[in-house]
Amino acid sequence: DAKTTQPPSMDCAEGRAANLPCNHSTISGNEYVYWYRQIHSQGPQYIIHGLKNNETNEMASLIITEDRKSSTLILPHATLRDTAVYYCIVTGTASKLTFGTGTRLQVTL
Amino acid sequence: DSGVTQTPKHLITATGQRVTLRCSPRSGDLSVYWYQQSLDQGLQFLIQYYNGEERAKGNILERFSAQQFPDLHSELNLSSLELGDSALYFCASSVGGVGYTFGSGTRLTVV
Repeated sequence: DAKTTQPPSMDCAEGRAANLPCNHSTISGNEYVYWYRQIHSQGPQYIIHGLKNNETNEMASLIITEDRKSSTLILPHATLRDTAVYYCIVTGTASKLTFGTGTRLQVTL
Repeated sequence: DSGVTQTPKHLITATGQRVTLRCSPRSGDLSVYWYQQSLDQGLQFLIQYYNGEERAKGNILERFSAQQFPDLHSELNLSSLELGDSALYFCASSVGGVGYTFGSGTRLTVV
């Protein structure tokens, strides 16, 4: 699995968009980009995933650069409940998820 | 409710003992993954099963073992427990390797 690099922490004001970057310069053509988050000690929660195209769902948007070497997770209107550790993971189909240290997002009033 | 059920939620046991953690995957999911999360460490992959067969192994100690049964539920067996085995243990399932759903975990405390 390709290695990912994320900033250790970020802050975001409530109601503003949270943009979480991830570098994955060694990604292979058949590897997906997944985003998960973990709130306190709960089980990791799936957010979104993509291969090449940008993706959007009810939780977030995923922007993948054309060369696929980096991506950005966008939470359009962050709330206090979005405070969590966010993990960017690159993996092939049917492979395990390898978690790094993630980005600790703190949403403040 | 994610659809992945883990029992028990909490477990306290003494050093040297053996415990079994149970995971029921989402309906239709054939793959089960086990992860360990210690206090100071991130989520570490332990082992994966697919339709009853071991598919991948991570940093799983020899004192630990797992299996997946015909009804697809999985059990993680931890033996000769040490203080350092205290951790959260998560199970995840997926149907075809796209879309992994995690359970709420089992918190193991070894005293």
